[in-house]
Amino acid sequence: GDSVTQMEGPVTLSEEAFLTINCTYTATGYPSLFWYVQYPGEGLQLLLKATKADDKGSNKGFEATYRKETTSFHLEKGSVQVSDSAVYFCALHAGGTSYGKLTFGQGTILTVHP
Amino acid sequence: DAGVIQSPRHEVTEMGQEVTLRCKPISGHDYLFWYRQTMMRGLELLIYFNNNVPIDDSGMPEDRFSAKMPNASFSTLKIQPSEPRDSAVYFCASSLPQVGIAEAFFGQGTRLTVV
Repeated sequence: GDSVTQMEGPVTLSEEAFLTINCTYTATGYPSLFWYVQYPGEGLQLLLKATKADDKGSNKGFEATYRKETTSFHLEKGSVQVSDSAVYFCALHAGGTSYGKLTFGQGTILTVHP
Repeated sequence: DAGVIQSPRHEVTEMGQEVTLRCKPISGHDYLFWYRQTMMRGLELLIYFNNNVPIDDSGMPEDRFSAKMPNASFSTLKIQPSEPRDSAVYFCASSLPQVGIAEAFFGQGTRLTVV
């Protein structure tokens, strides 16, 4: 079945450090890929997305490139801020018999210190 | 649109009581999801609906849990009887994949505490 695997957390960084959160997936066909962010006490919200191979999604300084050859969608940011502290979820939509269903990874907690 | 609306935001109940969580999806969205989030198990999909019909309820933990969607603008998740291990944050989400790429919009969640 479809699955998403994220790097183990939590991740702790100093402000202005470079961030990478790894995400790999297993799916049939050509899934769409997403990163969601959850700030403390809130629901998940879409951060960025990509629909096909080699697409790059970007938002708020975050980027992720859809790599079909390595089945990956790693999240990166060049310089993190304290306000980026949150839980980050990688997700996919595979379509087919699972049309409409989003499959999420386990989430990675990011803490950024001043 | 006001987004996905869940109620209540917080619920504290005693073990054995019935609990009903409510969700109003974004108008026009035809997919609705119920998720549960705990520290131990992360984010789990419980059930999802398409056009008010349950598509996959394999994530529902046991018979104590039931979900309904009587119309396109309302869904409930009921736990009867509730147990302490049901304590979690329950999220509702909706989407319209046909016009986008299945982006899901989440409510702010209901924090359930069973004592």
